[in-house]
Amino acid sequence: DAGVTQSPTHLIKTRGQHVTLRCSPISGHKSVSWYQQVLGQGPQFIFQYYEKEERGRGNFPDRFSARQFPNYSSELNVNALLLGDSALYLCASSWMTDDTQYFGPGTRLTVL
Amino acid sequence: AQSVTQLGSHVSVSEGALVLLRCNYSSSVPPYLFWYVQYPNQGLQLLLKYTTGATLVKGINGFEAEFKKSETSFHLTKPSAHMSDAAEYFCAVSSSGSARQLTFGSGTQLTVLP
Repeated sequence: DAGVTQSPTHLIKTRGQHVTLRCSPISGHKSVSWYQQVLGQGPQFIFQYYEKEERGRGNFPDRFSARQFPNYSSELNVNALLLGDSALYLCASSWMTDDTQYFGPGTRLTVL
Repeated sequence: AQSVTQLGSHVSVSEGALVLLRCNYSSSVPPYLFWYVQYPNQGLQLLLKYTTGATLVKGINGFEAEFKKSETSFHLTKPSAHMSDAAEYFCAVSSSGSARQLTFGSGTQLTVLP
């Protein structure tokens, strides 16, 4: 079975731009979570979605938003990019919100 | 609020030696605990997890961890290190129930020396 997939693999943007990251969960998984991993640190929770509804939100500014589609795939959007948004963005899927999370390979975002 | 402390940001062991990576957690409710491994330029791979029941948990690649409530610890061990074990290891905690949000430690980089 295919694991969690994310696109694109790498992305370079400039300050002030907008970015959209995409995630497809493992087949049968209904919950998707997003994490930000800054170089040298552990991942930090951004959002969790289940059945298209937001079930949890971490301590991130309103520039960060997400949504989940009927096929359970998800998008993470970041507006007005800052240099500090440069990070590896990880998507994780689980069958339900309270189940083990399985991670994708991540999208490496560089903001110049 | 939950938190995780991983003691030692870098650990070096010789090939064939015992691997011990330390993790202490703080949680106001019974925790679920996880160890993930991250190889360079890759995502996180689940090694093992503790939810309820037996406190000694066995995972993939010969790793195991023991949940000690009295010590609020969940240390990761492997009896004999292999070169392929070199990677970054993350301990994570989440509360039981809905909307499971993982709180990660800052990671331990494991180096295996020949």
